[in-house]
Amino acid sequence: LAKTTQPISMDSYEGQEVNITCSHNNIATNDYITWYQQFPSQGPRFIIQGYKTKVTNEVASLFIPADRKSSTLSLPRVSLSDTAVYYCLVGDIRDYKLSFGAGTTVTVRA
Amino acid sequence: NAGVMQNPRHLVRRRGQEARLRCSPMKGHSHVYWYRQLPEEGLKFMVYLQKENIIDESGMPKERFSAEFPKEGPSILRIQQVVRGDSAAYFCASSPDSGGQETQYFGPGTRLLVL
Repeated sequence: LAKTTQPISMDSYEGQEVNITCSHNNIATNDYITWYQQFPSQGPRFIIQGYKTKVTNEVASLFIPADRKSSTLSLPRVSLSDTAVYYCLVGDIRDYKLSFGAGTTVTVRA
Repeated sequence: NAGVMQNPRHLVRRRGQEARLRCSPMKGHSHVYWYRQLPEEGLKFMVYLQKENIIDESGMPKERFSAEFPKEGPSILRIQQVVRGDSAAYFCASSPDSGGQETQYFGPGTRLLVL
């Protein structure tokens, strides 16, 4: 499993865009990048997944440069309800042993 | 369509007692995974089960921990003779097939406190 490094915490205000960068220098050819969100007292929830370039869904965007050694999760116009821990996972898409690091605690203030 | 259900949501045990954690997967899902989250840490894989079979228990502590997923009923994670270090949140996930990074759906977790 590729090791990932992401900031421990980030603060933001409502309506701002939040960008969380994850470093994964040892990413393998078959690895995908997946982001999960975890609210207090809940289990993780899948947000977005990508292999290269840019992926966008109704919740977030994921930017992956050509060398794939990092990725950036972008949350547009955050609200208080986006306060959560965000995890970056890197691994083979078929690997069922999900490995979560400490994640990035995003706190959105009014 | 109910999601993954876990009960109890909170469990308090004294050292030496047994803890039983239950997980009902989403409808149509026959694959179950258990994870443990220690305070201030991310989730760590414990065990992967299909109906009546343990597929991978490489993340399970060698002693006191066991898991099952019977033909009928929920999956059970059993911790015998609990110690304070077992205090953690235990999450169950399910998937319709051998789920990778996108297809595991997590329950709300059981928070175990050992006194």
